[in-house]
Amino acid sequence: DAGVIQSPRHEVTEMGQEVTLRCKPISGHDYLFWYRQTMMRGLELLIYFNNNVPIDDSGMPEDRFSAKMPNASFSTLKIQPSEPRDSAVYFCASSHTDYYGYTFGSGTRLTVV
Amino acid sequence: AQKITQTQPGMFVQEKEAVTLDCTYDTSDQSYGLFWYKQPSSGEMIFLIYQGSYDEQNATEGRYSLNFQKARKSANLVISASQLGDSAMYFCAMRRLLSTGANNLFFGTGTRLTVIP
Repeated sequence: DAGVIQSPRHEVTEMGQEVTLRCKPISGHDYLFWYRQTMMRGLELLIYFNNNVPIDDSGMPEDRFSAKMPNASFSTLKIQPSEPRDSAVYFCASSHTDYYGYTFGSGTRLTVV
Repeated sequence: AQKITQTQPGMFVQEKEAVTLDCTYDTSDQSYGLFWYKQPSSGEMIFLIYQGSYDEQNATEGRYSLNFQKARKSANLVISASQLGDSAMYFCAMRRLLSTGANNLFFGTGTRLTVIP
């Protein structure tokens, strides 16, 4: 298996623009997580899905952030409009109910200027 | 609420020596899992080792071992025979293991390990 695949690896955008981050989880995994990593706040959970259904989105910073999982093999995290304080590394991870492990993608480094 | 505490922002170790990275956790759950992840400068999150709260023996994976002291709520990572490639950020994390399957992974703030030649 290719692991969790995130795209793009790097994204530089101007303030006010829409940004879409993409994630393909490991086939067969029924949980998908979006994390954000910053120097100030460390690794924080934004939202997670179980069987494509959002379970907990309490970590989503504000209405500018939205996440979808239209099917078991694809998820997006959208920021509209983006702000400089959104600059961070965004990780996607997937997991399976019957297995303790989490597999992380390589992350997307977002820079909003 | 779950909380992970890593009190060592940075650690130095001589190559080939052993090093212990501290982690304490706080939870009222009886069933939980503890993880250690490595994050090298390239940025990816690499799973190292896992300990279940009901596991009676300390987990080991190659040069990594987890010193699990349940009563003290500590889950320290021990790296034996340090190598230069071990220089990285290390995160301790905890997962609730609920019958409902709630699965969030709570992370500590990390410890930056530097291996000195």
